[in-house]
Amino acid sequence: DVKVTQSSRYLVKRTGEKVFLECVQDMDHENMFWYRQDPGLGLRLIYFSYDVKMKEKGDIPEGYSVSREKKERFSLILESASTNQTSMYLCASRTYQGADGYTFGSGTRLTVV
Amino acid sequence: GQNIDQPTEMTATEGAIVQINCTYQTSGFNGLFWYQQHAGEAPTFLSYNVLDGLEEKGRFSSFLSRSKGYSYLLLKELQMKDSASYLCAVNDYKLSFGAGTTVTVRA
Repeated sequence: DVKVTQSSRYLVKRTGEKVFLECVQDMDHENMFWYRQDPGLGLRLIYFSYDVKMKEKGDIPEGYSVSREKKERFSLILESASTNQTSMYLCASRTYQGADGYTFGSGTRLTVV
Repeated sequence: GQNIDQPTEMTATEGAIVQINCTYQTSGFNGLFWYQQHAGEAPTFLSYNVLDGLEEKGRFSSFLSRSKGYSYLLLKELQMKDSASYLCAVNDYKLSFGAGTTVTVRA
């Protein structure tokens, strides 16, 4: 089975800190995605990447950046954390081939205080 | 833009049937996913519809009408463990989600 691993399950950071959320997948998938999930709003796409060093903005990219230096790793960066970035962050990956299956990581619950 | 609507909450009794509707208006469409998500956990795949019609998989079935921009997920013989959020998502080279439907199964 494809495994998508997010480095932290829970994080607490202070306002203004630079925060890195890491995501690693082990099945050589081309596409990787970062979502945030908030009650009543569902999952919203922040950024995605089709390949190494490629990135595209999703629906809510403001306040975030990403890095994809290696195919298996997709990092989400909060340049200066703010309280409105308190959320559940979910990483997903998929391959171009097959039935378009997406696999999600277990999520990182980030609290900014 | 993407507009994906599904009801916020539904309640049903153990052993009953529940139908969760999803309507969408999206700029592109390659297929529609349904995911199940228990509280505090990652979404897990339930079904993927590309063509019109009904796909049955055990107690769960999913229907798609592309011309109407409509899908539903049917949960039969409800069990307590089916209490979860159910997410409708349109695939257009990236996934766009509805806000999710929380289903509560009562004994």
